[in-house]
Amino acid sequence: GVTQSPTHLIKTRGQQVTLRCSSQSGHNTVSWYQQALGQGPQFIFQYYREEENGRGNFPPRFSGLQFPNDSSELNVNALELDDSALYLCASSSGHLQETQYFGPGTRLLVL
Amino acid sequence: GNSVTQMEGPVTLSEEAFLTINCTYTATGYPSLFWYVQYPGEGLQLLLKATKADDKGSNKGFEATYRKETTSFHLEKGSVQVSDSAVYFCALNQAGTALIFGKGTTLSVSS
Repeated sequence: GVTQSPTHLIKTRGQQVTLRCSSQSGHNTVSWYQQALGQGPQFIFQYYREEENGRGNFPPRFSGLQFPNDSSELNVNALELDDSALYLCASSSGHLQETQYFGPGTRLLVL
Repeated sequence: GNSVTQMEGPVTLSEEAFLTINCTYTATGYPSLFWYVQYPGEGLQLLLKATKADDKGSNKGFEATYRKETTSFHLEKGSVQVSDSAVYFCALNQAGTALIFGKGTTLSVSS
């Protein structure tokens, strides 16, 4: 399945953070979501074959990478208190495939 | 733009009661529709899906039918168990990029 690391993280305002995701075997598309407490997940961006394939309404300080082995990183610069959330990674089996499978998430707390 | 509206919770039921969680959507074209479930402290698990009108998705006793005429995808289960207590999210996807989620409905089942 999809794995994410770390499981929990505490940072202070202004710092930078990197979250990691390993896709399910055979999946080459990865999407990242932010889930604030008590809310539904919000789409951050998607990567397909190492290129950004779509982006939600998030500022440029949210950036990502996808690697040749289909693992992925989410980087957030200049952390703000409102960035505190559960960050979810999801993978799918190809371009335009609509079924996404989620990892357990990384819970980020910004103090 | 595309959107999903779910009934607000929490929904509180006794074991073996009938469950309905309403979901309606707004979309151009013909999206795929999904129900995901989130247990406390975990990521999202795909519960069921439907990809075209009149399709019925089913899994673990849960069912939902894609109704294009009413733009709905209501989740039902004939007899809930305590282990079904979780947050349920309705979502849509079009063209394989962003999943658009509802705000989630919390289900609490007591014995």
